[in-house]
Amino acid sequence: QVQLVQSGAELKKPETSVMVSCQASGYTFTSFFIHWVRQAPGHGLEWMGILNPSGGSTSYAQKFQGRFTMTRDMSTSTAYMELSSLRSEDTAVYYCARAGGGTTGAAFDIWGQGTMVTVSS
Amino acid sequence: QSVLTQPPSVSGAPGQRVTISCTGSSSNIGADYGVHWYQQLPGTAPKLLIYNNNNRPSGVPARFSGSKSGTSASLAITGLQAEDEADYYCQSYDSSLIGSRVFGGGTKLTVL
Repeated sequence: QVQLVQSGAELKKPETSVMVSCQASGYTFTSFFIHWVRQAPGHGLEWMGILNPSGGSTSYAQKFQGRFTMTRDMSTSTAYMELSSLRSEDTAVYYCARAGGGTTGAAFDIWGQGTMVTVSS
Repeated sequence: QSVLTQPPSVSGAPGQRVTISCTGSSSNIGADYGVHWYQQLPGTAPKLLIYNNNNRPSGVPARFSGSKSGTSASLAITGLQAEDEADYYCQSYDSSLIGSRVFGGGTKLTVL
């Protein structure tokens, strides 16, 4: 079945970096965009950026420009996000989500299970 | 502060009808971009409930419906059930922010 499977929970110290993976299966990886969304404990959903697996192009939310990077490995149908210069406010569950590329602003129809990233000294 | 505004909470008794509003502006909902709704049960990932204003993905009960008018959208749930207790988020695209998708702050639905 169509699914996105994310890597496991991470505990990181401030000022370090974290990388989270998101492996797609059950569909053609390059036919859909991948978005990253995070949710701090007790808070709502926050969009971080979009990756086009086909050409590798990206667009980032202004808030994360400069310390957030999205990449992909087409050979394994895996998308990656890396967030650097971590601070306590980055403690959150990070989700990858799939969206169709045919329409601007298409809905996120498939979500990964989420990866908890905890930033603490 | 979220770009899309939702009430923090709504409640209703089993069998009743509830609505959740989502207010945006001329650069998102009012610019004719689709509004999508997600349901998030406690401790789980969000699930797509309504896409492009009023379309239900396969498997979503007809009790859930969406509408849009001007710069606002609404999610309606009829025949409320205990299993509907969850957080609900609206989401759209905003043309004033590069590449940006925007969410509402979320609404907690309590089934009394």
